[in-house]
Amino acid sequence: GAVVSQHPSRVICKSGTSVKIECRSLDFQATTMFWYRQFPKQSLMLMATSNEGSKATYEQGVEKDKFLINHASLTLSTLTVTSAHPEDSSFYICSAPKGGRGQFFGPGTRLTVL
Amino acid sequence: DQQVKQNSPSLSVQEGRISILNCDYTNSMFDYFLWYKKYPAEGPTFLISISSIKDKNEDGRFTVFLNKSAKHLSLHIVPSQPGDSAVYFCAATYSGTASKLTFGTGTRLQVTL
Repeated sequence: GAVVSQHPSRVICKSGTSVKIECRSLDFQATTMFWYRQFPKQSLMLMATSNEGSKATYEQGVEKDKFLINHASLTLSTLTVTSAHPEDSSFYICSAPKGGRGQFFGPGTRLTVL
Repeated sequence: DQQVKQNSPSLSVQEGRISILNCDYTNSMFDYFLWYKKYPAEGPTFLISISSIKDKNEDGRFTVFLNKSAKHLSLHIVPSQPGDSAVYFCAATYSGTASKLTFGTGTRLQVTL
């Protein structure tokens, strides 16, 4: 069964609004979670590392004020896309390490900004 | 700078035959490699991994080969099944990055009847 969940799976919003995406580890605790973005027919690009109890670490070129990350507990990380614009439309995926050196991925969230 | 590359965007293989997906990397610090399978609008699913201390890892129909000197790895699927049709991503990481993965560009595998 799924070990990482995401909500919502799909969201459509108007330009200028903010959208919050939740990522939960279902049967384990994750002090670290990762947020990725995938544009059509492209690779998954790491956006940021979410750290429980401390600030997120953003990859180069990712605006931290636009993509707010909060790791509120050991099982929940949220990504808020603030003042979303059409170019933010993408597939957002979170993941969490669970033993070993791999990660378990959530099912993803399709964001469409009109 | 694409540190992990999959030069074949697509591959078509007949059912029952072997599928070989290739991946090249440039960062010599990578010491752990993974293959993920992905369907549209879903998150990646882990398939198999290999540490740099090995050159081969096998799990059922899936085998991953690593050639460190060439900075190349490959995923072999044999026999290929129609349900294997998906996009396959290789990914790499190294110690000290808290499992941060760098993904390749993906190869779309189509297994035909």
